Amino acid sequence: SAVISQKPSRDICQRGTSLTIQCQVDSQVTMMFWYRQQPGQSLTLIATANQGSEATYESGFVIDKFPISRPNLTFSTLTVSNMSPEDSSIYLCSVAQSTGTHEAFFGQGTRLTVV
Amino acid sequence: QKEVEQNSGPLSVPEGAIASLNCTYSDRGSQSFFWYRQYSGKSPELIMSIYSNGDKEDGRFTAQLNKASQYVSLLIRDSQPSDSATYLCAVNILGTDKLIFGTGTRLQVFP
Repeated sequence: SAVISQKPSRDICQRGTSLTIQCQVDSQVTMMFWYRQQPGQSLTLIATANQGSEATYESGFVIDKFPISRPNLTFSTLTVSNMSPEDSSIYLCSVAQSTGTHEAFFGQGTRLTVV
Repeated sequence: QKEVEQNSGPLSVPEGAIASLNCTYSDRGSQSFFWYRQYSGKSPELIMSIYSNGDKEDGRFTAQLNKASQYVSLLIRDSQPSDSATYLCAVNILGTDKLIFGTGTRLQVFP
């Protein structure tokens, strides 16, 4: 499976500021996904990032709040903008194997605390 | 609204016993199903994939799929304290690479 490096691993941020999370994969992948996992909750898909096109956002998530870049087939960023304490969560980058199996693998996650 | 349902637990089993984790899903068209293990403070780790009705075994893990009943389960034989984690069931949305996750079942294996 692909090796996925995500950083930062954790951060504490002031409300009103923005944080950009980076996700680097050791091989080219078509699909990259960003998830949020709120405390004690399961994973919720934020958006799908495709190289060369705009990210596709799930219901309840908007580009102004969670802008995503996908400049190439091995890298993506997620920005959490104008943060509030409700944004405190774990953010996870995920990639799908290009084998048609739909298996997905995750980065280490970014634990964000907004104060 | 596509959904994946799991009992949140905790499910407590003694060391050496069989742990049985269950999951139901709402989308009858789903074809791909996954079990992830998530240790506290860590990211999810894929442990089993299953695509056809019946059983699939990998070491101490057996995944079971019944598409007619829209039911997926994971059996862990000879449970060890190191198996204590949250187990997430995930279902692929047909025609996409997206997964929907259940809320997870917390498993506790006590010595």
